[in-house]
Amino acid sequence: GAVVSQHPSWVICKSGTSVKIECRSLDFQATTMFWYRQFPKQSLMLMATSNEGSKATYEQGVEKDKFLINHASLTLSTLTVTSAHPEDSSFYICSARKRQPYSNQPQHFGDGTRLSIL
Amino acid sequence: SQQGEEDPQALSIQEGENATMNCSYKTSINNLQWYRQNSGRGLVHLILIRSNEREKHSGRLRVTLDTSKKSSSLLITASRAADTASYFCATVRNSGGSNYKLTFGKGTLLTVNP
Repeated sequence: GAVVSQHPSWVICKSGTSVKIECRSLDFQATTMFWYRQFPKQSLMLMATSNEGSKATYEQGVEKDKFLINHASLTLSTLTVTSAHPEDSSFYICSARKRQPYSNQPQHFGDGTRLSIL
Repeated sequence: SQQGEEDPQALSIQEGENATMNCSYKTSINNLQWYRQNSGRGLVHLILIRSNEREKHSGRLRVTLDTSKKSSSLLITASRAADTASYFCATVRNSGGSNYKLTFGKGTLLTVNP
């Protein structure tokens, strides 16, 4: 168990377009989901922590108006990149963690979304 | 800032050989986790070791943790070409509340040649 589905896997769109990425936990309830960004051959950088039913917590330097996160249910979180520009091109990955106990729980990752802005 | 730092950054070995990757971190941790990432894919959880544990095994994987040196190692025995991937260590600090964020190292790119 513990499958996380991320959709779409690849997006190519024009500059100025808003893009929505979905992250679903398929076989478990996830109180908390995380959104990461990864540049080529680099590590994952946490962008924000998404908690069901409350506002997301953004990491320092991440523009909350640029990257809108909604966690409306225990199985779905969405990341919307608003008015995307070429510098937003990257690999975005979500992860989800099962409910309590919070400590000593691995995170379960989606397969990522490759976003290319022309 | 990156909590974990893996070395080497890249490792190339022959099938059947063992691969050892190291990870160092800076602050006290709740646990340390190792993940694997195939090119262009998401991460797969491999093993979690708690701060009060020193060694853990899972199949061909062996992880050690030395909290006095703030370091961990991942050993893959009898490697296979399918083990080719990037391997990341990630630490969990008790940041309070229920978030327990993961902080990833830069990763080691392992290439296993047939």
